[in-house]
Amino acid sequence: GESVGLHLPTLSVQEGDNSIINCAYSNSASDYFIWYKQESGKGPQFIIDIRSNMDKRQGQRVTVLLNKTVKHLSLQIAATQPGDSAVYFCAENPYSSASKIIFGSGTRLSIRP
Amino acid sequence: EAGVTQFPSHSVIEKGQTVTLRCDPISGHDNLYWYRRVMGKEIKFLLHFVKESKQDESGMPNNRFLAERTGGTYSTLKVQPAELEDSGVYFCASSRRTSGSVGELFFGEGSRLTVL
Repeated sequence: GESVGLHLPTLSVQEGDNSIINCAYSNSASDYFIWYKQESGKGPQFIIDIRSNMDKRQGQRVTVLLNKTVKHLSLQIAATQPGDSAVYFCAENPYSSASKIIFGSGTRLSIRP
Repeated sequence: EAGVTQFPSHSVIEKGQTVTLRCDPISGHDNLYWYRRVMGKEIKFLLHFVKESKQDESGMPNNRFLAERTGGTYSTLKVQPAELEDSGVYFCASSRRTSGSVGELFFGEGSRLTVL
């Protein structure tokens, strides 16, 4: 039969507004988390990371929040621009692994003019 | 500085044929990773090289997949024989990380494999 793949959640935001993309992670032993941005036809691009001993980290127009109690990660993008249109993936690095990161299913962000 | 480059960008083969994907990491990056995204699924880890040695190949799906990194520079990923479920995008990434967690990975644009 036909396989059904996962459908990406989508988020539509007005240009200039703030975007909040949420992610739930699974492994309580993960100690490092990363957000990636993937534009059409390109590979994932690092945006920002955070370690488990922090609950907030800010970059240029982006902020990552980590809530270890509920295993939740969010990415906030300030003043969203058309160039922010992409699929955003959260990823976790399990403490037990120095090799692999585990990607979430991704959220497609679209910008309304 | 050149980024991670992958070749070919797209390959269309028939079931049972062989395909070899190539990755050139960023110069000086000892760590090289292969990931793949099959249709509609998450991006999943395949394996990790440190220089020419396989550090972790726990994500390789079966013995039809063979990755090499002779000399610790570029890497190849061979699929033989290819099956329909191997269709997807294969990403290569590299990093300078020397210890601890994975660190910042630099991804290539991917090689799209279509098996008919």
